[in-house]
Amino acid sequence: AQKVTQAQTEISVVEKEDVTLDCVYETRDTTYYLFWYKQPPSGELVFLIRRNSFDEQNEISGRYSWNFQKSTSSFNFTITASQVVDSAVYFCALRGGTYKYIFGTGTRLKVLA
Amino acid sequence: EAGVAQSPRYKIIEKRQSVAFWCNPISGHATLYWYQQILGQGPKLLIQFQNNGVVDDSQLPKDRFSAERLKGVDSTLKIQPAKLEDSAVYLCASSRPYGQGVYNEQFFGPGTRLTVL
Repeated sequence: AQKVTQAQTEISVVEKEDVTLDCVYETRDTTYYLFWYKQPPSGELVFLIRRNSFDEQNEISGRYSWNFQKSTSSFNFTITASQVVDSAVYFCALRGGTYKYIFGTGTRLKVLA
Repeated sequence: EAGVAQSPRYKIIEKRQSVAFWCNPISGHATLYWYQQILGQGPKLLIQFQNNGVVDDSQLPKDRFSAERLKGVDSTLKIQPAKLEDSAVYLCASSRPYGQGVYNEQFFGPGTRLTVL
């Protein structure tokens, strides 16, 4: 069975701080894909980043970076120099070979001015 | 390109009434998903279409929920009769067809917020 766990329910940081959102996944598939989505107060889920199971190279895109470690089944997401507009609920998602997505329960990020 | 369109944005009904939601995916996206997102939870997949065909409806409460995707484009999700626990946001998403692209990330519509009284 596939599962995504986001243990952090809510995180509060002060603007300009760095913040890391944790994601741990479970799957038996050898090929799988991981995603992070942002859900602002408006409600629409916005795609942020993605990684496949064959590529453990970590990347940076602007203020976003991610750390994918197969050995610990983790796919953590970091926002550098957080801004108030980053306040939202962030979801980690897993897609296996069946194209079915499994979402975590989300982490609510509050960035305080 | 235009995003995923959904209507209505909000709907309030009484229990035992019927309701229908409409979704128009991104042009060229053969895969369409309907999710239910209860307040404070992550999205839960209800049904997944590839073109006209159903790929996965294992979590769709088939005694009251139904969905169709005529001509492989627009889709409607219906609840009949509604229960109090159906109060949620119903999200539609689409992605490229299987085999096109590697990640096939989903793109979501704004959702329909349903309140059942």
